[in-house]
Amino acid sequence: ETGVTQSPTHLIKTRGQQVTLRCSSQSGHNTVSWYQQALGQGPQFIFQYYREEENGRGNFPPRFSGLQFPNYSSELNVNALELDDSALYLCASSLVGREGLYNEQFFGPGTRLTVL
Amino acid sequence: AQSVAQPEDQVNVAEGNPLTVKCTYSVSGNPYLFWYVQYPNRGLQFLLKYITGDNLVKGSYGFEAEFNKSQTSFHLKKPSALVSDSALYFCAVRAYTGGFKTIFGAGTRLFVKA
Repeated sequence: ETGVTQSPTHLIKTRGQQVTLRCSSQSGHNTVSWYQQALGQGPQFIFQYYREEENGRGNFPPRFSGLQFPNYSSELNVNALELDDSALYLCASSLVGREGLYNEQFFGPGTRLTVL
Repeated sequence: AQSVAQPEDQVNVAEGNPLTVKCTYSVSGNPYLFWYVQYPNRGLQFLLKYITGDNLVKGSYGFEAEFNKSQTSFHLKKPSALVSDSALYFCAVRAYTGGFKTIFGAGTRLFVKA
């Protein structure tokens, strides 16, 4: 086990709704990243937070937003859900220096989101 | 543009034989390369990484990977495959281009037959 937990495990929403997914990082980790993994594909990088500030973002629209809290927890918020948002959402934490590049990530088990 | 390619969707190997899972990358600047494994109903697990130094890096469960800068490759290898190695393997590169990004390959499914 990596020490990274996510909730809920599964979630069903309808198109147009908003959703919040939660992640608890491994203790002491200062960086959290969120990924979207569609069935049969590799994880797609959504964004990364370092010490509560976003410091990297992939090719996702602004309706995907996040927060990182001082207690190592974080949230992924998705507004105006679309059918294509159905996927497994993964969070990953790591302990990195200011450069942010050197260390491996520890992944949570994911939240399976279904948008109907 | 930054990218990671895993040219094989699936690799089949007999138990006890050596295995190779291929990965090539395209990134500006120095690459920071990783391999992760995903077992059914379990999260992604870190296997090994290349940051700098020796081109041959050793990781968990007897896996190793060879960094080849001229061929922009980072192939995953194991001298003797086990049935329990059967899983989905992902190559990833982390880089900074105006912000931090991590790019994963599409994954290679490894089947090890007894």
